[in-house]
Amino acid sequence: AQSVTQPDIHITVSEGASLELRCNYSYGATPYLFWYVQSPGQGLQLLLKYFSGDTLVQGIKGFEAEFKRSQSSFNLRKPSVHWSDAAEYFCAVVRMDSSYKLIFGSGTRLLVRP
Amino acid sequence: NAGVMQNPRHLVRRRGQEARLRCSPMKGHSHVYWYRQLPEEGLKFMVYLQKENIIDESGMPKERFSAEFPKEGPSILRIQQVVRGDSAAYFCASSPRAAGPQETQYFGPGTRLLVL
Repeated sequence: AQSVTQPDIHITVSEGASLELRCNYSYGATPYLFWYVQSPGQGLQLLLKYFSGDTLVQGIKGFEAEFKRSQSSFNLRKPSVHWSDAAEYFCAVVRMDSSYKLIFGSGTRLLVRP
Repeated sequence: NAGVMQNPRHLVRRRGQEARLRCSPMKGHSHVYWYRQLPEEGLKFMVYLQKENIIDESGMPKERFSAEFPKEGPSILRIQQVVRGDSAAYFCASSPRAAGPQETQYFGPGTRLLVL
């Protein structure tokens, strides 16, 4: 069955620094992958998604993610972090059954130093 | 174009009471998912519904929990005789058409349930 792992519980970066959040998936075929962001007390907002094709995916708010089959990874990146990016980030994979539910990782909480 | 609406945003119940959570999907969406987020955890799937049908309830606890999505009106997640372990954030997501791996699920702001 499909699953995702987010190895980092917390990450702290300085404002203006680059960011990479890790996501590893488990699935034999090509997965359907998503990154969502959750601000405190809010719902989830879709940042980007990958289904097939170009392995570098561009999303909203300056985020991008790269699908690497050889490493079973779908890491999220941003070249320059803004204070407003402080939030929790979730990687998710679609479970390939009748409902195509999302299977979420445990999340990475991003803190931004001024 | 309104997004997914959930109410109430916060709900406090005492042990043994009932909790009723509502979700209005985006306009034109007829498919609803419910997820639960326990403190410090990711979201876990509970149930997937289409209008008047439960398609997949494999994530729902066997007792006390039920869900519906009537022909008219919002989807309802009902928790009877709540216990402290039910304290969590409950999120609803909607999609416009039949489930498929490429369909984006649009999430509501969630209902934070606190059981005293």
